[in-house]
Amino acid sequence: KAGVTQTPRYLIKTRGQQVTLSCSPISGHRSVSWYQQTPGQGLQFLFEYFSETQRNKGNFPGRFSGRQFSNSRSEMNVSTLELGDSALYLCASSTRENVGYNEQFFGPGTRLTVL
Amino acid sequence: SQQGEEDPQALSIQEGENATMNCSYKTSINNLQWYRQNSGRGLVHLILIRSNEREKHSGRLRVTLDTSKKSSSLLITASRAADTASYFCAPSTGNQFYFGTGTSLTVIP
Repeated sequence: KAGVTQTPRYLIKTRGQQVTLSCSPISGHRSVSWYQQTPGQGLQFLFEYFSETQRNKGNFPGRFSGRQFSNSRSEMNVSTLELGDSALYLCASSTRENVGYNEQFFGPGTRLTVL
Repeated sequence: SQQGEEDPQALSIQEGENATMNCSYKTSINNLQWYRQNSGRGLVHLILIRSNEREKHSGRLRVTLDTSKKSSSLLITASRAADTASYFCAPSTGNQFYFGTGTSLTVIP
């Protein structure tokens, strides 16, 4: 079974631009979560989708948004990029609706650098 | 914050020694999970311990959970160079995980 895939793996943008990251979960997984990882803050939860519905959202500004498609693939978008948005963005998929009850399977991440 | 807090932040040991990492959290949880991350890559699930369990083993891993102290520990026995990674605890309320900043483990061959 293929693992979680994320595209692109690396991205360089400049301040003020916007970016869209993509995540394809493991086949059959309907829950997709997104995390931001920075050296100082660790892994910060962004949001979680299940069956195309956002079920949980972390404490991030409205510039961060996401969506999930009917095939469970998910995208996250960051508008008006700031230098502080430079981070590794991780996507994780899980089988069940209550994501916290089960292990999450992580993708390799997208490394975003904002100049 | 419900975020897990790992201690120590960094740990360096010789191959063959045991490594112990601790995690503390602040609220009631349904379960607590441990994950490993090799440098700059995705996380890999190691073990899940439920709130009604006190100890769990998986290969060279031993996890304990003390809900009265709101703490957990991860013991890696007979460490190997390949165990070099960052280790994260993730307390969960059932709807969300609360990862901390991790413990960076270096195993010296």
